[in-house]
Amino acid sequence: GQNIDQPTEMTATEGAIVQINCTYQTSGFNGLFWYQQHAGEAPTFLSYNVLDGLEEKGRFSSFLSRSKGYSYLLLKELQMKDSASYLCAVRAAGNKLTFGGGTRVLVKP
Amino acid sequence: DADVTQTPRNRITKTGKRIMLECSQTKGHDRMYWYRQDPGLGLQLIYYSFDVKDINKGEISDGYSVSRQAQAKFSLSLESAIPNQTALYFCATASGSETDTQYFGPGTRLTVL
Repeated sequence: GQNIDQPTEMTATEGAIVQINCTYQTSGFNGLFWYQQHAGEAPTFLSYNVLDGLEEKGRFSSFLSRSKGYSYLLLKELQMKDSASYLCAVRAAGNKLTFGGGTRVLVKP
Repeated sequence: DADVTQTPRNRITKTGKRIMLECSQTKGHDRMYWYRQDPGLGLQLIYYSFDVKDINKGEISDGYSVSRQAQAKFSLSLESAIPNQTALYFCATASGSETDTQYFGPGTRLTVL
């Protein structure tokens, strides 16, 4: 089976940086995804990591360490519109995704 | 136009009723998925299909059934709805490429009284 852990909630100030950690245990690893989900809306794809290291996309970066079963999503220059839930999802054998419970990020002025 | 659409967007029904949720996509993807999301929780996989003749159970398939009518259409049925099936339901599609990113529809909010 798979187990994915991420913090329930984080608060940060507009313009600051926030790092959302995700740890996972899986019987087979075939990639890790981060999604953003605003309340009541569909999750939207942010990033994908399958090899160790950092992937950067504008204000968002995602890091993966497969040996440690660890990833983080880094949000820089926070904006009010970044207030949302961020879902970590691991793909194992069979191309199925298992999602963590999500981290709700609240950005304050 | 949205690439992945779901109907209805909201539905209130009573215990014991049969309900069908529909998903259509114009992305040309072979893979389609149904998830449910409960407040404050992540997404749980109900059923998935990798092509028209392929149906697979996910983590929580009991009480649900699906039909893949065409490449572009994947419907989810609740045979006899019960209150603990009240949730937000999402359909997703994926291309089967190396990245195989899943793209989600807008969701259906279902309330079972």
